[in-house]
Amino acid sequence: DAKTTQPNSMESNEEEPVHLPCNHSTISGTDYIHWYRQLPSQGPEYVIHGLTSNVNNRMASLAIAEDRKSSTLILHRATLRDAAVYYCILRPNDYKLSFGAGTTVTVRA
Amino acid sequence: ETGVTQSPTHLIKTRGQQVTLRCSSQSGHNTVSWYQQALGQGPQFIFQYYREEENGRGNFPPRFSGLQFPNYSSELNVNALELDDSALYLCASSPRTGNYGYTFGSGTRLTVV
Repeated sequence: DAKTTQPNSMESNEEEPVHLPCNHSTISGTDYIHWYRQLPSQGPEYVIHGLTSNVNNRMASLAIAEDRKSSTLILHRATLRDAAVYYCILRPNDYKLSFGAGTTVTVRA
Repeated sequence: ETGVTQSPTHLIKTRGQQVTLRCSSQSGHNTVSWYQQALGQGPQFIFQYYREEENGRGNFPPRFSGLQFPNYSSELNVNALELDDSALYLCASSPRTGNYGYTFGSGTRLTVV
């Protein structure tokens, strides 16, 4: 499985943007970049995914570097409900999600 | 839409026993995956079912087995429970195979004593 590297933790203030980096220097051409988050005592929640182009949805934006060796998940205005572990996952066009340790995001009121 | 529901939410079993965990997939989803999450770690893929057949498996021994039913609900069975099987077991469903987002349930917390 291609590996991703994320910071262990990040802090943000409420209503400020949060930029979560992810390095994936060994990404292959068929790997999609997926992001999930897991709130305390809940299962993971799908956030966004992309292949080459930047992607936006109601939850977040995904910015993918031109060489695809890194990406950034952007939460535009953090709320207390965004405090969670965020996982960056490379997924070939197959069945499984390979979770790493993720980034623990803390949001200060 | 109802989302993914799992039962039971918590379970305590004795080492050597067998356990069955259940999952109802989100309406319209025909692909179900199971994951094991130990405390403080990310989820680990166990296997996936598509149209009632296993179509992918992670690094788990054969005593971990599963089923998917015609209504796309699923079961995870674990035989000969070991203490290290204590974990949160998560079920996830997707509308189809391929690169789509998965909807996860809240999990079953299994404790083996």
